[in-house]
Amino acid sequence: NAGVTQTPKFQVLKTGQSMTLQCAQDMNHEYMSWYRQDPGMGLRLIHYSVGAGITDQGEVPNGYNVSRSTTEDFPLRLLSAAPSQTSVYFCASSYDRRIGGYTFGSGTRLTVV
Amino acid sequence: GIQVEQSPPDLILQEGANSTLRCNFSDSVNNLQWFHQNPWGQLINLFYIPSGTKQNGRLSATTVATERYSLLYISSSQTTDSGVYFCAATRPTGNQFYFGTGTSLTVIP
Repeated sequence: NAGVTQTPKFQVLKTGQSMTLQCAQDMNHEYMSWYRQDPGMGLRLIHYSVGAGITDQGEVPNGYNVSRSTTEDFPLRLLSAAPSQTSVYFCASSYDRRIGGYTFGSGTRLTVV
Repeated sequence: GIQVEQSPPDLILQEGANSTLRCNFSDSVNNLQWFHQNPWGQLINLFYIPSGTKQNGRLSATTVATERYSLLYISSSQTTDSGVYFCAATRPTGNQFYFGTGTSLTVIP
């Protein structure tokens, strides 16, 4: 039982490049979400999904796309990286966001130069 | 969205001391949770506490939903308690979690 697995752990991109941050969970959780964490700002929700085939925008969705083709995977795509997207990204899952029991991945530290 | 204010922003304790962390909300909330981020960045869910009081070892939490605040109590603090503590909640009819900016706790031996 691996929990929530995020890859890569570190990434440096050039402005304008695209990439996908991977997130996978093996707990059969329906609810998955992506956050970014910036100094002094806590965590902000980018996108979330309440089940396979269903996604919705969070607080800061611009510049990011998501899809949820399976229950296990919830990748985050950066379409054209910008320095403002330099941040630490966390993926989280829960079997029901209303009950809690959030499990976070270990994070991806992204730097855009 | 909901404004989530946490206090104090920073806290330094001697090992063995007790502390209280506070979380205030600008509006009615549901699904209130407390998290701990350790010095290595890992986030751990501590409590799901939309109302009432819960205890888990040396930690306990109380939420008074009608007054829009929650408290996290840490007793007999240990160096392993160091890190950042976040609270988060959703609107009553929403799916989005809003996080506070955290309380950074340092426990000194």
